[in-house]
Parts: sequence; structure tokens; C-alpha cells
Amino acid sequence: NAGVTQTPKFQVLKTGQSMTLQCAQDMNHEYMSWYRQDPGMGLRLIHYSVGAGITDQGEVPNGYNVSRSTTEDFPLRLLSAAPSQTSVYFCASRLLAAVGGELFFGEGSRLTVL
Amino acid sequence: DQQVKQNSPSLSVQEGRISILNCDYTNSMFDYFLWYKKYPAEGPTFLISISSIKDKNEDGRFTVFLNKSAKHLSLHIVPSQPGDSAVYFCAASARWSQGAQKLVFGQGTRLTINP
Repeated sequence: NAGVTQTPKFQVLKTGQSMTLQCAQDMNHEYMSWYRQDPGMGLRLIHYSVGAGITDQGEVPNGYNVSRSTTEDFPLRLLSAAPSQTSVYFCASRLLAAVGGELFFGEGSRLTVL
Repeated sequence: DQQVKQNSPSLSVQEGRISILNCDYTNSMFDYFLWYKKYPAEGPTFLISISSIKDKNEDGRFTVFLNKSAKHLSLHIVPSQPGDSAVYFCAASARWSQGAQKLVFGQGTRLTINP
């Protein structure tokens, strides 16, 4: 079982460039989400989805877009990268009915915006 | 507005002794509390959780205690082992829109176990 797979693991962008972070899970989880981790800030929720075609904003959604066309995939798009988006990004998923909300995380994508 | 706080950025403990990691929260609507462990260059992995209707949950060397009146929880690891050296995140869960449960994370505590 691959679990949650994120690509790329590392990326360097220039300010204003766009890119997509890919996330795929093979556990048939309805719920998928994106977090960013910054020093001293913990993990903050960017966007989440409870199923194909359904997405919603988290705590820090500005500057990011998401879509969910299949159960397996949940890409995160940066339309015009800014240095403030330099961070480590984690995709996470779980069964919607999972009591307690335990999430399964990918290994992370480290993004640097110059 | 930090709803979940881990006030100790780091903790150093001798191998074999008890490690106690602390977490405070402000929102009384949280219904589950979870601890995640994170090694460098890896994603967080689930460690242990506790329902808000309980005050203690134990799993092997790991025990989580919940004090609702103080809005405080703690993770005890005994005995501590070198492999426990990692960053530990406290998280709290609450019902959110569309039936989803939102996880709010603390800032993390870096635990170092010294031989």
C-alpha cells in the first residue's frame, strides 16, 4: 500500500511563477486536505475536500486553489507564487467516518519561493 | 488566535526516564485530541488519541491524560527510548462544515532522548 503520495518532494520557484503540488492516495479515503508547516506555527489547514467535486477553505486558503475530480487525487495549485508561500506542504487523508479524525500524511513537499 | 498551544518548543530527557509533553487548548467544542509524531523529512504519523469524554488513554509506553477543567492534555512516554526523539504535535478535533472534522495543531515540541 502506497498510502499518501506527494510530488514533487522539493521545488524552487521564482516570485510570480505558478505550479501544482500533486497528492494521490490509494486508501479510498473520502476526506483529503492540504496543510502547511512553518516554524513556530505548527500545521495549518489550507484547503480540504470531503469527496469528489466538493472542496472548502481551511485556515489559510489565500493564494491557493484546489479541485477534486476523483477520489484519489487532490492537487494544490499556486497561481502566482510569493515568498510568503515558502513552506513545507503536507497532504493528508482519512475516512470521513473515522472517529477522532486521525489523518494519514504524505511525506511532504518543500517549496522555496525566491 | 492559537487554539492549541504547546508552550515548550523543546524537551531533553535521559533514556529510560519519563517524557512528559504538554498541550493547552482554548475551545471547549473540541471532541477528540490526538498526538502525532514527526521525524525529519517524513510526514507526521498518528500516535495516540483520546475522546473528550475520557480522562486517560494508554497504549503501551504512551499514555495521554486529559484535564477538561484546565483545558490541558499531556503525553507521557515511559520509559523513553532513543527512537522517541522526534517532533510531537498535539492536535484537537472539532466538527466543521460539510460533516468534516477539522484538526487544529499545536506548534510542536522537539523531544530529544539522550543515551
